Amino acid sequence: DTAVSQTPKYLVTQMGNDKSIKCEQNLGHDTMYWYKQDSKKFLKIMFSYNNKELIINETVPNRFSPKSPDKAHLNLHINSLELGDSAVYFCASSLGPTNSYEQYFGPGTRLTVT
Amino acid sequence: GQNIDQPTEMTATEGAIVQINCTYQTSGFNGLFWYQQHAGEAPTFLSYNVLDGLEEKGRFSSFLSRSKGYSYLLLKELQMKDSASYLCAVTEGWLTGGGNKLTFGTGTQLKVEL
Repeated sequence: DTAVSQTPKYLVTQMGNDKSIKCEQNLGHDTMYWYKQDSKKFLKIMFSYNNKELIINETVPNRFSPKSPDKAHLNLHINSLELGDSAVYFCASSLGPTNSYEQYFGPGTRLTVT
Repeated sequence: GQNIDQPTEMTATEGAIVQINCTYQTSGFNGLFWYQQHAGEAPTFLSYNVLDGLEEKGRFSSFLSRSKGYSYLLLKELQMKDSASYLCAVTEGWLTGGGNKLTFGTGTQLKVEL
C-alpha cells in the first residue's frame, strides 16, 4: 500500500508552460507539505497545509500555487515555468502540525524545464 | 533563521562504526530529526531528539546537546545498504498559525566500502 503518492514521477516541459503535480496520502494525516530538492540535494520547505488550511508559506514565487481540496490531497500548480524550477519536488505528510511528528515523504516528482 | 552544518561526504568500511555530526544555530529550537535518503528515493525518518542525550534504535543512535547546538547520528555494524545521504533537520517550534517547519542541512553522503 502506497502511503504518500505523487504523480507524475517525471515531468519534462518547456519554459513558459504551466504544469501541475498531484499528491495523495492514505495515512489519515492532517498535515501535508511540499518540498523542493535542488541539484545540490538541498531540501527546502515550500508550503504546508493542515486540514486544508495553509499554515506555512515560504518565500516562493507566486507562480507556485498549492491547493488542498481535502486533507488527503495537496496539489502544486506552477505557472510560467522557468529553467530554475528544475528540481525534484517532494510531497510529505505528518499526523499533525506538531513538531515531534515525523514526516512521510512521497517518491518525488523530477521536473525538468528545457 | 537557521544555519545547519554537516560534513558533505564520509567514507567508512562495512562492519565499522561511523558518526555523522550536525551543528545548528537557530533562532528557535523544538527538536532535531535525522532522515536517510538513498539516491533517487524519498527521505525516510530515522530519529527525533528534543531532549539532551542519546536515543538508541537498533544499529542507529542519535545524540543531542541543546546547549552546544550539536547532534550526531551513530551507525553501527555498517552494511553496504547504509550507503546513502543522511539529512539533519531542525524544527523551529510552534509558528504563528501552526506548522512543523523543518529546516534541513545539506546532507552527508555516506559511502560504505568493503
